Parts: sequence; structure tokens; C-alpha cells
Amino acid sequence: QQQVKQSPQSLIVQKGGISIINCAYENTAFDYFPWYQQFPGKGPALLIAIRPDVSEKKEGRFTISFNKSAKQFSLHIMDSQPGDSATYFCAASIKGAGSYQLTFGKGTKLSVIP
Amino acid sequence: SAVISQKPSRDICQRGTSLTIQCQVDSQVTMMFWYRQQPGQSLTLIATANQGSEATYESGFVIDKFPISRPNLTFSTLTVSNMSPEDSSIYLCSVGGTESSYTFGSGTRLTVV
Repeated sequence: QQQVKQSPQSLIVQKGGISIINCAYENTAFDYFPWYQQFPGKGPALLIAIRPDVSEKKEGRFTISFNKSAKQFSLHIMDSQPGDSATYFCAASIKGAGSYQLTFGKGTKLSVIP
Repeated sequence: SAVISQKPSRDICQRGTSLTIQCQVDSQVTMMFWYRQQPGQSLTLIATANQGSEATYESGFVIDKFPISRPNLTFSTLTVSNMSPEDSSIYLCSVGGTESSYTFGSGTRLTVV
């Protein structure tokens, strides 16, 4: 059972456009929702994150919108650039026995074309 | 955040053999995690490795197939045993004491032929 569903699987956006990636979760016990960015040959790196008591968080060109009632959250990349081309993973975290466990979406491969 | 060195970065292995992946961290960490990233799939947690205790495996992963060592607070190894083509994946180690401190290594791209 996939606990975090991510869409679309791939996305092509023109330079300067807005990239939008959506995620939905099922487990209401999740209490931290990070997004990771992964370039080819590299491990995922934390991009931005939000907690469910906040509806929106913005860091530069990256914004997370969070809808607690719908159990959905999304990543918006404004003024998308070719350097943003990467795979993006949403995740949800819950504290297990002694550690925080991340559950990842399947990823979205973003291509920003000039 | 911690810096993780993982090696090898990639390998092509014959079926039936084993590969040991090393993960070195530049600071002492309590918990280290091993993930598998299959093509087109999510990152899936294989196990959590604490120093001085047995690793805790997630459902679907067993110690005989993925033995893990954690000899000290900066190092861990994951062995993929008796490999089959289905084991072809990227294997990632990670550290993180808090939610926001999760850091991943660059991964090991394994191809089993």
C-alpha cells in the first residue's frame, strides 16, 4: 500500500513557467512533509518542508501548498529554470521508535526546456 | 549537515554473487538508514542501523539477504547477498537524527547480470 501518492510521473515545462507537482497522503499521523530534489548520480537533497499546521511555505522560487483537510500538498516552482531539471520526491514523516521514518512518493522527473 | 561518502558509486555484478556497499559519515551519528531506489519507484527503507545493536529491517527485507554492519558511529556497510537481476537498483545510505537533518549519500547503482 503506497501511503504517499505523487503525480505527475514526468513533467516538461518551458523556461520561466510554473512547475506544479502534487502529492496526497493517507496517514493522518504524518506530521512533517518534505520535498527532495535529486540530480542524476546524486542522492536526494532536502529542498523545502512544511508542517501540517501551516497552509503555505515559500522559499525563493519554491512554494509548498498544504491542504490538511484534503490530505494533499503540492510543490510549485516559479520561474522554472533549466537548472531545476531533476527528479523531485515528496515525502511524509512520522516518528517511529526512536527515529523519524520517511515515506516517499514515486518521484516526478522535471525537465525545463529553454 | 553531515557529509556522506558512499562507495562504490556503481557496479555490475554477476548473479549469485554478493556486493558490500560502504557508507562513511564525517561526523558521529546515532542512526544510519539504508534505502533502495528502484527505477521509477519510491525510495524504500531497507533497514535502520544503530551502532552496537542489530539492524532493524522493514517488512520485505531480511538479514540473510541484506546483512548490515555498524561497527562505529561513522561507518556502516550493507551487503546485497546472492544477487539476482531483481536486485538491480540504486542503494542509498542516509543519516538523520531529526526530520530536517536527513542527508543522503550519492548512492550505489547496482546492475546484476
